[in-house]
Amino acid sequence: AQRVTQPEKLLSVFKGAPVELKCNYSYSGSPELFWYVQYSRQRLQLLLRHISRESIKGFTADLNKGETSFHLKKPFAQEEDSAMYYCALGSPGANNLFFGTGTRLTVIP
Amino acid sequence: GAGVSQSPSNKVTEKGKDVELRCDPISGHTALYWYRQSLGQGLEFLIYFQGNSAPDKSGLPSDRFSAERTGGSVSTLTIQRTQQEDSAVYLCASSLSQGGLGEQYFGPGTRLTVT
Repeated sequence: AQRVTQPEKLLSVFKGAPVELKCNYSYSGSPELFWYVQYSRQRLQLLLRHISRESIKGFTADLNKGETSFHLKKPFAQEEDSAMYYCALGSPGANNLFFGTGTRLTVIP
Repeated sequence: GAGVSQSPSNKVTEKGKDVELRCDPISGHTALYWYRQSLGQGLEFLIYFQGNSAPDKSGLPSDRFSAERTGGSVSTLTIQRTQQEDSAVYLCASSLSQGGLGEQYFGPGTRLTVT
């Protein structure tokens, strides 16, 4: 069965410091992994997906099939990065995305 | 263009009453999803529509929950005989792609409070 684990409910970093939000998944096939973000008083929106291999707002995420991880990283955190981040897994034949429980990131000025 | 819209934005209801939540997806999006967002629980999948049909109702938590979609567009989620544990934010999303591989566009949610 598909499962997504985000071990940190809360994460605080200082502005300018590196940030890493952890995501581990369990799925036996070839998954599609996503990071969604919800800024304060805004709707949930896609941040990036592993298949596009882009850097969005300075964030990157690499799919590590050996460790079944898809950690989100940014070398220098900004105050505007403060938000709720959800890791999600999709798979061929599935009807929905499986979301983790989310990590609330706070960037301290 | 217009995004996914949901109404009402907030709903307070008494335990035992029925509620209807509405979702207007992005025009042309054939796939529509309902999720429930509870504190500390992440997003819980409820139901998925492809067009007007719901091939996957496995996430509905009980038979008090039902949903329909008409004209391949608007969807309503109905909760009968509401209970306090139904209190949550109900999110709707739509997608061009069917299944779980396409980008999903979320609405602002309906915050349901059952007193």
